Amino acid sequence: RKEVEQDPGPFNVPEGATVAFNCTYSNSASQSFFWYRQDCRKEPKLLMSVYSSGNEDGRFTAQLNRASQYISLLIRDSKLSDSATYLCAVNIPTGGFKTIFGAGTRLFVKA
Amino acid sequence: DADVTQTPRNRITKTGKRIMLECSQTKGHDRMYWYRQDPGLGLRLIYYSFDVKDINKGEISDGYSVSRQAQAKFSLSLESAIPNQTALYFCATSDYGLETQYFGPGTRLLVL
Repeated sequence: RKEVEQDPGPFNVPEGATVAFNCTYSNSASQSFFWYRQDCRKEPKLLMSVYSSGNEDGRFTAQLNRASQYISLLIRDSKLSDSATYLCAVNIPTGGFKTIFGAGTRLFVKA
Repeated sequence: DADVTQTPRNRITKTGKRIMLECSQTKGHDRMYWYRQDPGLGLRLIYYSFDVKDINKGEISDGYSVSRQAQAKFSLSLESAIPNQTALYFCATSDYGLETQYFGPGTRLLVL
């Protein structure tokens, strides 16, 4: 089993739709969690950190479920510009934290 | 100017050649990383360094070596390139305790 798993998609949604991605992790000692966005042929960039209490940034909401070992990302009112690959990342306590990335979920938002 | 830079941005080389990918950062971070990205496999950690005197292997270090020349510089070498090392390579940095990673623009490597 991979340490961090994501549904690769692609998710094809119309503008204005709400879409949700999940990411599961296997190491119960994982300490911190992140969502990154990666545009085609570009570097990943931090979208948001995921806190135990969940967090929201505009149209984006991230949640953490430690009991079931997954994190989620909800995008409301999708825009064409949201089309990208979304990577989840989990820090595991291995000799000083090491970050493990999921393979990413591709999102296409269509007009 | 970009905080994390990588050179070259694109490279074509032949099997058996030695090549070096370079990474520089102006963020003042102690921690630096090299990843490779392949379609469907996501980012995989090759090597990481938590300070100038610290070098650690990641999950796919075979065939690669690194050098941390200074806090700001971390280079990746392919001693004898092979075609399955064709990939997109990213350098990244992070600050102790925060762990958010900042990536360079990537190097596209093609090994023929």
